[in-house]
Amino acid sequence: GAGVSQTPSNKVTEKGKYVELRCDPISGHTALYWYRQSLGQGPEFLIYFQGTGAADDSGLPNDRFFAVRPEGSVSTLKIQRTERGDSAVYLCASSLGGSITSGNTIYFGEGSWLTVV
Amino acid sequence: GESVGLHLPTLSVQEGDNSIINCAYSNSASDYFIWYKQESGKGPQFIIDIRSNMDKRQGQRVTVLLNKTVKHLSLQIAATQPGDSAVYFCAETFSGSARQLTFGSGTQLTVLP
Repeated sequence: GAGVSQTPSNKVTEKGKYVELRCDPISGHTALYWYRQSLGQGPEFLIYFQGTGAADDSGLPNDRFFAVRPEGSVSTLKIQRTERGDSAVYLCASSLGGSITSGNTIYFGEGSWLTVV
Repeated sequence: GESVGLHLPTLSVQEGDNSIINCAYSNSASDYFIWYKQESGKGPQFIIDIRSNMDKRQGQRVTVLLNKTVKHLSLQIAATQPGDSAVYFCAETFSGSARQLTFGSGTQLTVLP
């Protein structure tokens, strides 16, 4: 596709339920990132994939959060036993690969807005 | 118009004026900085970047200035247009964590007709 695609764009779920958020990166991009953005704040890093492997998952807040990218393209962010504090916009981004400091522009999707009630 | 980023999260300017958005970054080891623009309901959009070995970089209508001594970054937008209205974030990273961007909390720019 032309850009990073995320589904669903909006999700309302009940506290305690399980949620999956999907990201389809730009074709050919080997690097994929998940960020979380709360209202009025900047995005916060969650996890980075290079290919199929999670190269850096240091931003995941706890073990309720998990992400996969089994074929090195589409990624799914999974949240178990959702809590009201998980309500946020979950942003996916991708880049050609390599280091950010090499100037590989990171392209963001429009995000999945998660509301836990 | 000018903002001090985290202290004044909103900035209003007249159409056609120049805008200055400021950002104080936290990590003295950061060596790469990016400005993003985020419109309502959309993801952050890359505007311009700068490496720590530079003081200034210019793009189309935008200029980024970096002052490493005081850990300060600014984004200047020339001849601000209504389409520039958005939230602007600075982001930093350093080579030791080159996969993570640390974002500031952003400044809301409103362009008045």
